[in-house]
Amino acid sequence: DAGVTQSPTHLIKTRGQHVTLRCSPISGHKSVSWYQQVLGQGPQFIFQYYEKEERGRGNFPDRFSARQFPNYSSELNVNALLLGDSALYLCASSLVRVPPGYTFGSGTRLTVV
Amino acid sequence: AQSVTQPDIHITVSEGASLELRCNYSYGATPYLFWYVQSPGQGLQLLLKYFSGDTLVQGIKGFEAEFKRSQSSFNLRKPSVHWSDAAEYFCAVGGSETSYDKVIFGPGTSLSVIP
Repeated sequence: DAGVTQSPTHLIKTRGQHVTLRCSPISGHKSVSWYQQVLGQGPQFIFQYYEKEERGRGNFPDRFSARQFPNYSSELNVNALLLGDSALYLCASSLVRVPPGYTFGSGTRLTVV
Repeated sequence: AQSVTQPDIHITVSEGASLELRCNYSYGATPYLFWYVQSPGQGLQLLLKYFSGDTLVQGIKGFEAEFKRSQSSFNLRKPSVHWSDAAEYFCAVGGSETSYDKVIFGPGTSLSVIP
């Protein structure tokens, strides 16, 4: 079975640009969460989606948005990129809303120059 | 508010030696507790989790963790470390059954293994 897949694996953007990151959860998993991991730190919670509805939001500015599609895949969008947005963005999926132990993807490495 | 502390930023052990990584949490209700491992440039792999029941939890790769409610701790242990265990380890705490609470991660402990 395929795990959590994220695309792209790496990308470089310029300050002020917009970026879209994509995540496909494990088949049957209805919950998707997004995390930002700055180098040398633990992952920070951005969003949780369950059954296509936002169920949780972390302390991130409105430049960050996300959505979940009917097939439970998800997109994370970041507008007006700042240098500080450079990080590894991790997507995690789980079967139910209770966090039984997320399965994480390998992440998207975003570099803002 | 939920929080997780991992007092040790970096630990170095010799191969074959025992290992204990410390984790303390702050959470008002009964927590779900997790340990994840991350190799350089990779995503996170779940080592083990505690939801309820037996406070000593067995995980993959020979790891175990013990939940101590009185100390708000969930320390990770391994009796004999292998060179392949060198990685970053994250303790995390999650919410209860009645909420969609997010999972909060600690800052991580970097493990180096000396041959």
